[in-house]
Parts: sequence; structure tokens; C-alpha cells
Amino acid sequence: GQQLNQSPQSMFIQEGEDVSMNCTSSSIFNTWLWYKQDPGEGPVLLIALYKAGELTSNGRLTAQFGITRKDSFLNISASIPSDVGIYFCAGQAQYGGATNKLIFGTGTLLAVQP
Amino acid sequence: EAGVAQSPRYKIIEKRQSVAFWCNPISGHATLYWYQQILGQGPKLLIQFQNNGVVDDSQLPKDRFSAERLKGVDSTLKIQPAKLEDSAVYLCASSLDMGSWLFFGSGTQLSVL
Repeated sequence: GQQLNQSPQSMFIQEGEDVSMNCTSSSIFNTWLWYKQDPGEGPVLLIALYKAGELTSNGRLTAQFGITRKDSFLNISASIPSDVGIYFCAGQAQYGGATNKLIFGTGTLLAVQP
Repeated sequence: EAGVAQSPRYKIIEKRQSVAFWCNPISGHATLYWYQQILGQGPKLLIQFQNNGVVDDSQLPKDRFSAERLKGVDSTLKIQPAKLEDSAVYLCASSLDMGSWLFFGSGTQLSVL
């Protein structure tokens, strides 16, 4: 099945550093979502973006919906140890008669050293 | 508000055996999804229900996988017979309606030996 390309695959940073990750697709999406997944848990929604060019913040997280609608970026400022986890982007579009079909990225593993 | 409940959390079976997973979505959520997450990959949609009807099962391997949501609430996903490549985490998610945010359960980790 189709998956979005995320980069980097993994990041190992020091506490306090800023983090950037991005997601690209060959297809256009109407909505971009960013999820975080902790070990042994399901993904949890962090940020949702609904309009091309939109920039949205949630605490230390900032995400942008790319102008081309084929990419999105997530930034985490001043990282802390609990930011550790796998971050997934997800694009949402309408396929045929089925709405809300979510295509997930390949994930970015973030490790934060205290 | 209770989240999406899944059971069991872990399951270990031998290839060619059968296995079933159960999901109870958030109360009032009309849309239910089953995703397969292979280690190192993002979740992949297997099947989507709207109430008790199937909206999308295009990526469900129907020769061995089946799912039902008979009363439009709980759902079960079955694999019969299991193959080694079915080893993965099976995630259930629900949303208020199609187009609403998805809430995921903790998943069932399946190991096929």
C-alpha cells in the first residue's frame, strides 16, 4: 500500500535542542496530520492541518501544510526526554466513495538524551 | 471518556493457526478502522466500517482475513490461517464520523512462529 516518505528516519539529540522532520508525497492531500506513538501504544494525534500554507502550533510543536499540498513539516522546540517516540505524518484524502482514508508516513524515531 | 479498547494485548500463535482480535470503539463513534502496523512501518488500513457497513476493505487480504461489526459497535478481526508475515501490531481506531479525527487503541501485538 501507499506510504508517505518521512525524513529523517531517526534522530538522536540532546535535551533542549530543536527538532525538524518532514513528510513528502507524490499525491495531493486535503488534510495533513501528525501523530506520536509511544512504545506499546497506538498513535496519538498531535496536530491537524486543513489548508495549504497553514501553520499551526500546539505548545512546543509547530506544523505546516505545504503550499503544494504534497508535503508537511513538524518542528519541536526545546526538546525534553518525554518527546521520545516515533512521529508519523498522515495524509488524508477522498478516494472514490470512501472519505477519511488515512495514509501514514514511514515514521521518524526521536531519541532525546537528558 | 473511555478510549478505544482492544484485546488481547499480545498473542503468539504458530503459522496456519487461527486468531481473533476484538475492538470496542469510543461510545458514539460511527466509524471504526482496523490497521496493520508491521515493525518499522506506519499503520496500513485494512478495513473501514461506517456503523455496521464496510466502507473500504481494498487492502484486506480476503483469502485469510475477515472482519465484522455486526451491531455497529464492537468489531472482531480474524486471521485464518495465519502466515509468518502476519506478525504485526493490529490497531483499532474509531472516529465520530468519516472526516473526524481518529482515536487509536493500544493495539494487539501478534507474533506468528
